[in-house]
Amino acid sequence: NAGVMQNPRHLVRRRGQEARLRCSPMKGHSHVYWYRQLPEEGLKFMVYLQKENIIDESGMPKERFSAEFPKEGPSILRIQQVVRGDSAAYFCASSPPTANSPLHFGNGTRLTVT
Amino acid sequence: GESVGLHLPTLSVQEGDNSIINCAYSNSASDYFIWYKQESGKGPQFIIDIRSNMDKRQGQRVTVLLNKTVKHLSLQIAATQPGDSAVYFCAENIGNDYKLSFGAGTTVTVRA
Repeated sequence: NAGVMQNPRHLVRRRGQEARLRCSPMKGHSHVYWYRQLPEEGLKFMVYLQKENIIDESGMPKERFSAEFPKEGPSILRIQQVVRGDSAAYFCASSPPTANSPLHFGNGTRLTVT
Repeated sequence: GESVGLHLPTLSVQEGDNSIINCAYSNSASDYFIWYKQESGKGPQFIIDIRSNMDKRQGQRVTVLLNKTVKHLSLQIAATQPGDSAVYFCAENIGNDYKLSFGAGTTVTVRA
C-alpha cells in the first residue's frame, strides 16, 4: 500500500519562475493537506483540500500561492513568480474521510530558489 | 536521557536507555496532540497521538503523557535503538485534526 507520493523530490527554480508541486494521497484518502517547513523549524499548515474543494486556506500566503485537488489526478501546489524566501520543504499529507484520523505525510518536495 | 524546558534542541542518549522528550504547549484549548518522528530527508512519521480526555497512552516501545494542568506533553521511548535517531516533533490542535501546530522539534542522537 503506497504512502503519500510527492514529486519532484527536489526542485530548483530561478527567481520569477513558477513552481508546481504534486501530491498523490494514500489510497482511500480523500483529504489532502499542504504544510511548509523552513530549515530548523517545525511544519506550518498552509491549506486543506478535498476533491474539487478548498476547505481551509488560512495558512496560504495571499499572493502567488494556489492549490487545487481536481476530481482526477494529484493535488497541485503552485507558486508563481518564486522568490528566495519560498525556498523550503513542502510536505503533503492525507487522511481518510473519517473523523479523528492522524495525518500521513509524504517525503516532501525541497524547493530551492536561486 | 531527558530533555527539559520548553524544548531542548538536542538529546543524546545511550543505546538501550530510555529517552524522554518533553514538549510544552501554549494553548489551553488544544484537545488533540500528536508526536511525529522525522528522519533526515523524509517526511514526518506518525508515532502516537492522545486526546485531552486522556493523560496517558501507550504504543509499541513508546508512551505519551499529557499533563493539562501545566500544559506539558512528553514522549517516552523505551530501550532506545540507533534507528530512533531523528527529530521528534510534538503537534497540537484545537477542534479539528488537520491544522496542526508544530513545535520546533528535538533532535535525538543515540550513542552506540
